[in-house]
Amino acid sequence: AQKVTQAQTEISVVEKEDVTLDCVYETRDTTYYLFWYKQPPSGELVFLIRRNSFDEQNEISGRYSWNFQKSTSSFNFTITASQVVDSAVYFCALSEPRGTGNQFYFGTGTSLTVIP
Amino acid sequence: ETGVTQTPRHLVMGMTNKKSLKCEQHLGHNAMYWYKQSAKKPLELMFVYSLEERVENNSVPSRFSPECPNSSHLFLHLHTLQPEDSALYLCASSQGRQGARYTFGSGTRLTVV
Repeated sequence: AQKVTQAQTEISVVEKEDVTLDCVYETRDTTYYLFWYKQPPSGELVFLIRRNSFDEQNEISGRYSWNFQKSTSSFNFTITASQVVDSAVYFCALSEPRGTGNQFYFGTGTSLTVIP
Repeated sequence: ETGVTQTPRHLVMGMTNKKSLKCEQHLGHNAMYWYKQSAKKPLELMFVYSLEERVENNSVPSRFSPECPNSSHLFLHLHTLQPEDSALYLCASSQGRQGARYTFGSGTRLTVV
């Protein structure tokens, strides 16, 4: 079974629209970490945010915001007033403790296209 | 130079060739990873090195051979590859502690002909 599910494979929005990327995860651990990464056409996955399982406060960073809800095992990502530069593939990831390190599980990614 | 650097950015090789992918990090991280990203597929973890020792090998065919000579460098040696091995190969590094974020390189786009 998928540990991290990103049900939206592709999304297209018109510039300045808001868009929410969904992420649902599955874990039995009480301590875990959730991440979002952005992969522009250049290929490099760029870190956006990390949340630990004990901090359910929503976070806002400029036009980006994240909604973490343990009750529904979701960690959704919203881009407000989207711009063309937001076009990329976005990955949600779950990190579970393993020994002194961690095991990462990535979702399959959501490809976002922002149309000018 | 900071971050994770991968070379080459693009590589075309024949099925009988031998080539190597290189990854270098100057972040002081002690764990390094190789991932394979194929079209329409999830990121696949191939190898994990922690403190220069291979700690994970996810059933990767022997035609892929990793090498980690020190904590800053990671190689992926390729030989007798198949066309289905064509993909983006991503290197990442992290601190070897729980919850550490991964820092990725830009990847090597490999095409096997």
